Amino acid sequence: DSGVTQTPKHLITATGQRVTLRCSPRSGDLSVYWYQQSLDQGLQFLIQYYNGEERAKGNILERFSAQQFPDLHSELNLSSLELGDSALYFCASSVFGGEGTEAFFGQGTRLTVV
Amino acid sequence: GQNIDQPTEMTATEGAIVQINCTYQTSGFNGLFWYQQHAGEAPTFLSYNVLDGLEEKGRFSSFLSRSKGYSYLLLKELQMKDSASYLCAVRDLGIDQAGTALIFGKGTTLSVSS
Repeated sequence: DSGVTQTPKHLITATGQRVTLRCSPRSGDLSVYWYQQSLDQGLQFLIQYYNGEERAKGNILERFSAQQFPDLHSELNLSSLELGDSALYFCASSVFGGEGTEAFFGQGTRLTVV
Repeated sequence: GQNIDQPTEMTATEGAIVQINCTYQTSGFNGLFWYQQHAGEAPTFLSYNVLDGLEEKGRFSSFLSRSKGYSYLLLKELQMKDSASYLCAVRDLGIDQAGTALIFGKGTTLSVSS
């Protein structure tokens, strides 16, 4: 158990809908990262938050947004869902700063868009 | 930007040694990580290199050459449970000034047979 909690584990929804994925980082970790993993693309970095503020942005679509709350949990919002958004969404957390601070991953949310 | 290349698949037999290579290009290298991921599960941290040379951790070792943009993961005394995807990831100061976001390659699927 990495200490990173993601809910829900599975989500099935229809095209055009909006969903929210939730992540609670490890105790003491200030950074949260979101990744999308599909079969053909591998782990794609979406966005990173540190202590409530956006830190880095990767290949995140405009239909997607995220935020980190004062209690450090984070939510990833996916809207106007398309079939191609079906993937595993992982959240990871790490202690900000310093070298060798690896990221710890949650078990992921499997999103299926039908 | 960054580009991370790994072989897509490798096969080996129990008890053997296998080397998984990773080449990368970054705007500002800030560390290289190896993760292991079993199908449908979260990636788990294996090793970290930021300086040139070899880091050994039990049956697993990782090597880095920053001048060549090259790393390898060496797995010794292979076991069936080592069948998994192995992901090479870099931290790149070109993504964010703190260089904490992890950018992953597509991974190498290793199959270990008896």
